[in-house]
Amino acid sequence: GQQLNQSPQSMFIQEGEDVSMNCTSSSIFNTWLWYKQDPGEGPVLLIALYKAGELTSNGRLTAQFGITRKDSFLNISASIPSDVGIYFCAGHPRFSGNTPLVFGKGTRLSVIA
Amino acid sequence: GAVVSQHPSWVICKSGTSVKIECRSLDFQATTMFWYRQFPKQSLMLMATSNEGSKATYEQGVEKDKFLINHASLTLSTLTVTSAHPEDSSFYICSARAAGAGLNEQFFGPGTRLTVL
Repeated sequence: GQQLNQSPQSMFIQEGEDVSMNCTSSSIFNTWLWYKQDPGEGPVLLIALYKAGELTSNGRLTAQFGITRKDSFLNISASIPSDVGIYFCAGHPRFSGNTPLVFGKGTRLSVIA
Repeated sequence: GAVVSQHPSWVICKSGTSVKIECRSLDFQATTMFWYRQFPKQSLMLMATSNEGSKATYEQGVEKDKFLINHASLTLSTLTVTSAHPEDSSFYICSARAAGAGLNEQFFGPGTRLTVL
């Protein structure tokens, strides 16, 4: 099935540093979504992207839909301890209302105070 | 945003017993619900897609007779793990998509941790 390549797998950063993670696909995606999952919880939607080139911010988070429609990145500025968690990219490989999301394997973020 | 609940949040059962997990959309109607399982330090693996009033569509490798899914109403879907075994121990998460929703309106429940002894 469809797969998304998400990198890095894990990151250890100092509080206050900026973070960048990305996701790539071998095929065109029509939607890119970024979720955060805290331990023992379900994923929470952070940002949704629908158009190639779209750049969207949500507080300290910024995500972009790549021009080629095969990649997306998520940046977190000035990280804080509560940013700790697993970040997943997800997307729809074709435009269909009921197409299941395809998930990346996640980026585990640790913030050192 | 829309709220999806799951019950129970955790369950411990003996091998051979069946366990039912409920997923409810609390403030919206969900025509489609998805069931995922997640092993430690791994991503979410889609198990099945459930449309209200019809049979669930299972992903390859997921036994439909073992993981029974019912989506009888627009606000409730259930996953029953039948004759559970230790290898079924996992974190099960449901996700609900609202009727007529845009592609971003897929909301996740808090998950249910199943431990089979």
